[in-house]
Amino acid sequence: GAGVSQTPSNKVTEKGKYVELRCDPISGHTALYWYRQSLGQGPEFLIYFQGTGAADDSGLPNDRFFAVRPEGSVSTLKIQRTERGDSAVYLCASSLMAGGAEAFFGQGTRLTVV
Amino acid sequence: AQSVTQLDSQVPVFEEAPVELRCNYSSSVSVYLFWYVQYPNQGLQLLLKYLSGSTLVKGINGFEAEFNKSQTSFHLRKPSVHISDTAEYFCAVSDQTSGTYKYIFGTGTRLKVLA
Repeated sequence: GAGVSQTPSNKVTEKGKYVELRCDPISGHTALYWYRQSLGQGPEFLIYFQGTGAADDSGLPNDRFFAVRPEGSVSTLKIQRTERGDSAVYLCASSLMAGGAEAFFGQGTRLTVV
Repeated sequence: AQSVTQLDSQVPVFEEAPVELRCNYSSSVSVYLFWYVQYPNQGLQLLLKYLSGSTLVKGINGFEAEFNKSQTSFHLRKPSVHISDTAEYFCAVSDQTSGTYKYIFGTGTRLKVLA
């Protein structure tokens, strides 16, 4: 596709449930990033991939959060035992390579935990 | 760890007036700097970036920014704003010396252009 695609655009889930958020990066982009944006805040780094491997996962808040990118393209962010505090917009971005090239962002997935 | 400070959470300005949105980052030998804009209910869009070379960089929609290494600043400016510039603006930095290339964002500045 022309840009970074994230699905679903909105997700409402009950506290304690498991959710998966999907990101389709721009074709050919080797670096993929996940961010979380709470209301009135800037994007908060979660994890980034260079190819299939997680190059930096220092932003994942706890072990309920996990992300994969098995074939070096599509990535899935997985959240177990969701809590109300996980409610936010989850942003995905991709860039041609890590290390300075601009990152292109998707529209985000708005997650609401009720 | 690298950090970005945007001191102004909100900046109101009248249409056709100039504006400056401030951004400071923590010191580093080598950084790449970015400004992104986020319109309501939309994703982040790159306005401009500094990688190397001239310290004055020009971006889309008439915006420009100046990299000042001694003051660790990267302020965004526009000489004459339009109503359509009303949006949230985020400054971001990528530290080239830490071995990780994640982008660190500031908390954002909400620009409100008044008629």
